[in-house]
Parts: sequence; C-alpha cells; structure tokens
Amino acid sequence: NAGVTQTPKFRVLKTGQSMTLLCAQDMNHEYMYWYRQDPGMGLRLIHYSVGEGTTAKGEVPDGYNVSRLKKQNFLLGLESAAPSQTSVYFCASSYLTGRMGEQYFGPGTRLTVT
Amino acid sequence: SQQGEEDPQALSIQEGENATMNCSYKTSINNLQWYRQNSGRGLVHLILIRSNEREKHSGRLRVTLDTSKKSSSLLITASRAADTASYFCAHSKYGNKLVFGAGTILRVKS
Repeated sequence: NAGVTQTPKFRVLKTGQSMTLLCAQDMNHEYMYWYRQDPGMGLRLIHYSVGEGTTAKGEVPDGYNVSRLKKQNFLLGLESAAPSQTSVYFCASSYLTGRMGEQYFGPGTRLTVT
Repeated sequence: SQQGEEDPQALSIQEGENATMNCSYKTSINNLQWYRQNSGRGLVHLILIRSNEREKHSGRLRVTLDTSKKSSSLLITASRAADTASYFCAHSKYGNKLVFGAGTILRVKS
C-alpha cells in the first residue's frame, strides 16, 4: 500500500497563477482533509470531505477550493495564488469511525508564491 | 482560535533521558491524539487517548489526560537520537476534525 500520496512535492507560483494539488489514498478511507502548516502555527484545516461528492470548509478555507469526485482522490485548488498562501500543504485521510480516528498523512507539498 | 498550546516550544536532552511535552486545549473533547513529524516529512500518529481515559501507554510512550485542567502530557522514556522530531497534540470535539497545537521540537543528542 502506498498510503497517502501527494502531487507535486514542490511548486513555485507567481502571484495570480492557479494550480491544483492532488491527494490520493489507497486505504478506502471515507474522510479526507487538507491542511496547511506554517512556522510556529501547527496545522490548520483548510477543507475536508466526509465522502465522495461532499466537501466542507475548515478553519482557513478562503482562497482555496476542493473537489472529491472519486473516493480515493481529494483535490485542492488555488484559483489566484497569493504570497500569503506560501506554505507546506498536507493531505490526510481517516476511517469513518464515528466519534474518533487517527489520521494518515501524506508527505506534503511545499508551495512558494512569489 | 481553537488551537491548543504546547510547551515547551523546544526541548534538548541527552540520549537515555526522558522527555516530557505538555499540551493544553480550550474546549471539551472526545479524544486527544499525539503525532510525530520528522523534518520534511508528514505527520505520523503515535497514540490516541479518549476523554474518559486518564493514562495510556504504548512502548516507550506514556500519555496522560486531565480533562478538568484541559491538558495532556506526552512522556518519552529512555529517549534515542531517532526520537528527534516535532511532536504535536491534536484534539477532536466533533467527528473526525482535529485541532492541532503548535508543536514541540525535540532534539535528542547522542
């Protein structure tokens, strides 16, 4: 099993450009998440999905869109990148366990917006 | 912000010593989890403690939870150089959404 994979690993964008980050998991997990990690702030939830075809906003959703067309994939889009979106982005997934569950993380995508 | 707080922010110890990290949170929870992150990598789940549990062990890890004080601690005994990493606590109130603390950077010197 590959677990959770993310594409690409690194990317540099210019302000105003758009891009899509791809997350894939092969564990048949229902839940998927996108986080951003900034120095000294831990991880903050951007958007999440509780199943195929459903998405919901997290703590910091502005400037991002997501789609979950297939259960195994969760896409994060930046329509018009801004320097404030320079960060490391992590995707995670978990089982549908009701009240609790550990999350499995991908290796991250380091994005720089100039 | 609902983010938890962790202290210390950084900890440097000698191999073989114990390392203790603390975490506080602001809301009621149904579970609290600890994760490890090696430099440049994703997070790896270490241990989960439910709100009705007070202590849990896993190998060299011991986690305590005090819901009256809204705090948790992670103890790593007999630390090794390979334990050098950042450690994050994360709590869950509803469903599977986690709120992460800012993390503790642990350096174990050999």
